[in-house]
Amino acid sequence: QSALTQPASVSGSPGQSITISCTGTSSDVGGYNYVSWYQHHPGKAPKLMIFEVYNRPSGVPDRFSGSYSGNTASLTISGLQAEDEADYYCISYTGTTTLAYVFGAGTKVTVL
Amino acid sequence: QLVESGGGLVKPGGSLRLSCAASGFTFSDYYMTWVRQAPGKGLEWVSSITSSGDAIYFADSVQGRFSISRDNGKKSLFLQMNSLRAEDTAVYYCAREGGSHSFDYWGQGILVSVSS
Repeated sequence: QSALTQPASVSGSPGQSITISCTGTSSDVGGYNYVSWYQHHPGKAPKLMIFEVYNRPSGVPDRFSGSYSGNTASLTISGLQAEDEADYYCISYTGTTTLAYVFGAGTKVTVL
Repeated sequence: QLVESGGGLVKPGGSLRLSCAASGFTFSDYYMTWVRQAPGKGLEWVSSITSSGDAIYFADSVQGRFSISRDNGKKSLFLQMNSLRAEDTAVYYCAREGGSHSFDYWGQGILVSVSS
């Protein structure tokens, strides 16, 4: 299985909304409700933002939301803030033993 | 909290053992995973182990060269890396799998450099 497809970069002004897509196949994104999203500031530990496609862990602002349609999952950041500037990765569970999880290549979010 | 250790510079063909010390949660209740990020690249799943250690899983890229283990009594996760290649150069993260096939806690990462 190939990596999930994410746009290399997305940008927006403070207060705007942006959406990051994550496209896979019926063997991963489309086959399981186990898509998660992570925020990664370079040099720091990645942070879970969304799990099971839609759910936010406690402490994650409700500006972050997840959705999906078919083989594509999406992360939307509403009311963009400067601290949201980071790399964002999607991950899907696949259920196989030699590629249990497939990752997106990452999207650089820039706050203009 | 998860804290990795054991990284460093190693020659191609060499070995290295990474450790991940866990605290603040019941380590034995959770599956654990290693993820890596090569320079300038995205994140890549490497290996996972069940909570009891009775099943382990590896990416094709490391199958046969890496092994994963854990010591629940010492709240520690390990990654034994043998026959290292230049392409194994990366920051290695240990991560806890929450109950929903997602990774809810990560370490800060440890650098492994494979170079002659």
